[in-house]
Parts: sequence; structure tokens; C-alpha cells
Amino acid sequence: NAGVTQTPKFQVLKTGQSMTLQCAQDMNHNSMYWYRQDPGMGLRLIYYSASEGTTDKGEVPNGYNVSRLNKREFSLRLESAAPSQTSVYFCASDLTRDTEAFFGQGTRLTVV
Amino acid sequence: DAKTTQPPSMDCAEGRAANLPCNHSTISGNEYVYWYRQIHSQGPQYIIHGLKNNETNEMASLIITEDRKSSTLILPHATLRDTAVYYCIVRSLNAGKSTFGDGTTLTVKP
Repeated sequence: NAGVTQTPKFQVLKTGQSMTLQCAQDMNHNSMYWYRQDPGMGLRLIYYSASEGTTDKGEVPNGYNVSRLNKREFSLRLESAAPSQTSVYFCASDLTRDTEAFFGQGTRLTVV
Repeated sequence: DAKTTQPPSMDCAEGRAANLPCNHSTISGNEYVYWYRQIHSQGPQYIIHGLKNNETNEMASLIITEDRKSSTLILPHATLRDTAVYYCIVRSLNAGKSTFGDGTTLTVKP
């Protein structure tokens, strides 16, 4: 049972480049989330998807887009990367809002 | 979802109980209290959650005050491997945004 899988684990981008972070879960969870974590800080919610076919903004959505491709997969896209988007990105999923969330191991993104 | 307040850091002696407080004074009736921890830069790990009753599992105990405005996570016998950042969050059963805050850095010392 893989849980929540994120790819890639590490990425370096140049300012202005685009990329998509991939997230997949194999637990048949309904909701999925994208967070970012800057050094020494807590996690901030970027976007979430309460169910397949729906997405909503979190605290810090600017500069990002998401796609809930199917129940398993939730991708995060940076259209034009900026140095301020250098961070560790975590994907998470849960079955319902009164059950535990499972997190991936993170994608460490550096924008130069 | 209600906001939470936690002390930025705490120390605990190995083998002793670690008691981590959390204030959530604006919590509403349908909101759960969750605790997660993050070791180094790994993905956060679920510890425990509760609505209004005290809860216990193999990792920890959660004590929620009667007015539900605060809670305490108890690690009964802390080990060096429990050194981590501990996050207390409040989640509504309705769709909404869960904020993690900055958490409490617990350092377990030999």
C-alpha cells in the first residue's frame, strides 16, 4: 500500500519556467490537498479538492492551478515559476473530514 | 475552521510525559481537534483527534476541556524519536480550509 505518492521529489526551475507536481493516492480517498511549507514555518493550504470534479482555493492560491484528474490524482501546476515559490510542497488526502489525513513525502522545489 | 494557538517550543526529559497545550477558543460545535507531528522535513504524521471526549491510542492521549476551548496532547513516555514539530488543528465537518499554524517544536532530551 503506497499511500500518497508525490513526484518528483526534487526539482530546480528557472524563473518563468512551468511545471506540474503530481500526486496520487491509492486509498480511495475523497478529498485531496496541496500545501506548501517555507523554511521554519507551518504548512499553508494552496488548493484542495473535496471530491472528484471539485477544487477550491486555500490560503495561498496565487500563482498556482490545480486539476483533480480523477479520484486518485490531484496535480499542482506552476505556470510561471517565481523565486517566492521556492518551498517544500506536500500533497495530502483523506476519506472524510472526520478521519485522518495522509501526507506524501514532499516535493522540494527551488526556483532560481 | 477555528484558529489555534500553541507555544513555539517545549523541552521534555526522555522517559517523562510530554504535555503539549493548544488553545482553540473560537472552536464551534462541529469542529474536531486534530494533532499531527512532523519529524525533520518529512510529511506530517497523524497522531490523534477528538470532538469532545478524551481520546487515547497507542501513540498518545488527547484531553479536551469541557468547554472545548483548549486541549492537551500527552505523550506518556517521551523518547528521543518524539522530537518533532507538533501541530494542533481544528477541522470542521463541512468543506473548508484547515490551517496548520506554526506548531510546537518539542525537543526530548536525554
